[in-house]
Amino acid sequence: QKEVEQDPGPLSVPEGAIVSLNCTYSNSAFQYFMWYRQYSRKGPELLMYTYSSGNKEDGRFTAQVDKSSKYISLFIRDSQPSDSATYLCAMKDSGAGSYQLTFGKGTKLSVIP
Amino acid sequence: DVKVTQSSRYLVKRTGEKVFLECVQDMDHENMFWYRQDPGLGLRLIYFSYDVKMKEKGDIPEGYSVSREKKERFSLILESASTNQTSMYLCASTDLSTDTQYFGPGTRLTVL
Repeated sequence: QKEVEQDPGPLSVPEGAIVSLNCTYSNSAFQYFMWYRQYSRKGPELLMYTYSSGNKEDGRFTAQVDKSSKYISLFIRDSQPSDSATYLCAMKDSGAGSYQLTFGKGTKLSVIP
Repeated sequence: DVKVTQSSRYLVKRTGEKVFLECVQDMDHENMFWYRQDPGLGLRLIYFSYDVKMKEKGDIPEGYSVSREKKERFSLILESASTNQTSMYLCASTDLSTDTQYFGPGTRLTVL
């Protein structure tokens, strides 16, 4: 079983739809959870950061972490064509000397006008 | 704003050439990383560095080496480029207060 599973898509939705992107993980030591957005031929950019469980909202974006189920989600409300990108989840444990992030492989999203 | 820059956006090299990819960050971050990204394989860690002159192998270090002589600069070296090293190379540095990584724009390397 891979440490982080993420459906690669592609996911295609009409403009204005609510989008739900998800990752599951197996390592219960993960404490830090991130979502990155990557436009075609560009580097990933940090979108959301969450520590431990709970929800975090930033404009049209909401990140949820359910540590009991080892499941994280990113919701995009009122999706726009400019949201078309690949979305990567990433996570990290809190161990001393732990430097690396574990990434999902990304979900490709297309928002159709 | 954190800024991570990479020396080239696109690079074309021939098999057997020595290739240098440079990365510079302007936020005084201790940790820096080199990844390659390939379709269907996601991001794979090649090497990282947690301090000047310190380096650790990642998941796929074979065929690569790194150099970190100054805190802000982390170089990836392909000693003898091969066609299977054609890829998108991404550099990142870490804000230790949040453990989040900030990425550069990437270098798309083609080895002919």
